Amino acid sequence: DTGVSQDPRHKITKRGQNVTFRCDPISEHNRLYWYRQTLGQGPEFLTYFQNEAQLEKSRLLSDRFSAERPKGSFSTLEIQRTEQGDSAMYLCASSLKAEGWTQYFGPGTRLLVL
Amino acid sequence: RKEVEQDPGPFNVPEGATVAFNCTYSNSASQSFFWYRQDCRKEPKLLMSVYSSGNEDGRFTAQLNRASQYISLLIRDSKLSDSATYLCVVIVLYGGSQGNLIFGKGTKLSVKP
Repeated sequence: DTGVSQDPRHKITKRGQNVTFRCDPISEHNRLYWYRQTLGQGPEFLTYFQNEAQLEKSRLLSDRFSAERPKGSFSTLEIQRTEQGDSAMYLCASSLKAEGWTQYFGPGTRLLVL
Repeated sequence: RKEVEQDPGPFNVPEGATVAFNCTYSNSASQSFFWYRQDCRKEPKLLMSVYSSGNEDGRFTAQLNRASQYISLLIRDSKLSDSATYLCVVIVLYGGSQGNLIFGKGTKLSVKP
């Protein structure tokens, strides 16, 4: 499968714990995006990278959230001191200029904070 | 006011029906427009881009009205497999760089036999 992959697909954690998600974009896609989606809502932008540079961060990305893309390939999203309000689907997408920057989404990581 | 607004539905239609969804956007600087489809508990998938001249892909037709700042999606001859949530998406470009996707809440479509 050459699409965007995310790991884990599901995560259950207790409030206050730290969690980390991984995203592997489509090969050679130099832009990578993170979104969050809660029930009944559309996805909301969190942050995006062009290669290893984090170019934009949403106001939704509180101090407890940090994203990295150290080598310009895979990315990690870490949430520290999780809260129940962090429960959501975390979606990763990637894009390429030659494809008009069309964003292709991964299957998401569903987080439940108890 | 939300940047992208859609009627959440649900739209319940019989097989073979024609159904239309509208979406409005608030930022006149919006440059790119799309419809994404999302099945229950799955990721969004690009259905089609929306161009000013309107575009068609099989049973699906998308229209853009910049003056009124709305986008539409028409589905003809609905199939059971069209049942999904349809997300209206815009991109606001600024500083010469590609912006992020701004999603509406989605319109739920249920096609019944």
